[in-house]
Amino acid sequence: GAVVSQHPSWVICKSGTSVKIECRSLDFQATTMFWYRQFPKQSLMLMATSNEGSKATYEQGVEKDKFLINHASLTLSTLTVTSAHPEDSSFYICSAPPSGGERGTDTQYFGPGTRLTVL
Amino acid sequence: GNSVTQMEGPVTLSEEAFLTINCTYTATGYPSLFWYVQYPGEGLQLLLKATKADDKGSNKGFEATYRKETTSFHLEKGSVQVSDSAVYFCALTSYSSASKIIFGSGTRLSIRP
Repeated sequence: GAVVSQHPSWVICKSGTSVKIECRSLDFQATTMFWYRQFPKQSLMLMATSNEGSKATYEQGVEKDKFLINHASLTLSTLTVTSAHPEDSSFYICSAPPSGGERGTDTQYFGPGTRLTVL
Repeated sequence: GNSVTQMEGPVTLSEEAFLTINCTYTATGYPSLFWYVQYPGEGLQLLLKATKADDKGSNKGFEATYRKETTSFHLEKGSVQVSDSAVYFCALTSYSSASKIIFGSGTRLSIRP
């Protein structure tokens, strides 16, 4: 089946630094990717939609200047957490529906997640 | 807006017991419905899906039927195994939501040997 990878799988950083997380679709193209965050024992909350060749669209309450998203190619989206603080510590997950799939019904494939810990 | 409500957890069962995890939804139009599973330390995996009313999704002994009249998509399995211990998420997506997935809160399932 389709595979989505994330790198790194975990990262620890100091408060005030920036961290970049990569999401790659390994065997399919994705014009759209989604970024979620998941707090311990909670559900996934959609943060933003990453669009290849255009700006990302952010969900209400998500700071676009803090969570920078770049969809550099049809197989790569990156999420950069700028000036990270301890409250940004979370599990970040990306997903991608294959391009050409039927909007609204097609299966999405999830990355394994990146655990960010900000000290 | 669209939303998903699923049974609160955690749920603890003995091996070979019958499982039901309730899920109801609110949506405009005709959403597609999904169950995703997250095993300990792993990412989300699609368990099953149904894209129209009365469809039944099934996989690994799990089943769920898309009931439009009751806006439900309950997950069932006749005989659970220890390896089924995981967190289960009910979810929906729709054309009108541009494929954004709306997740339920998740139900943690633990199976005792």
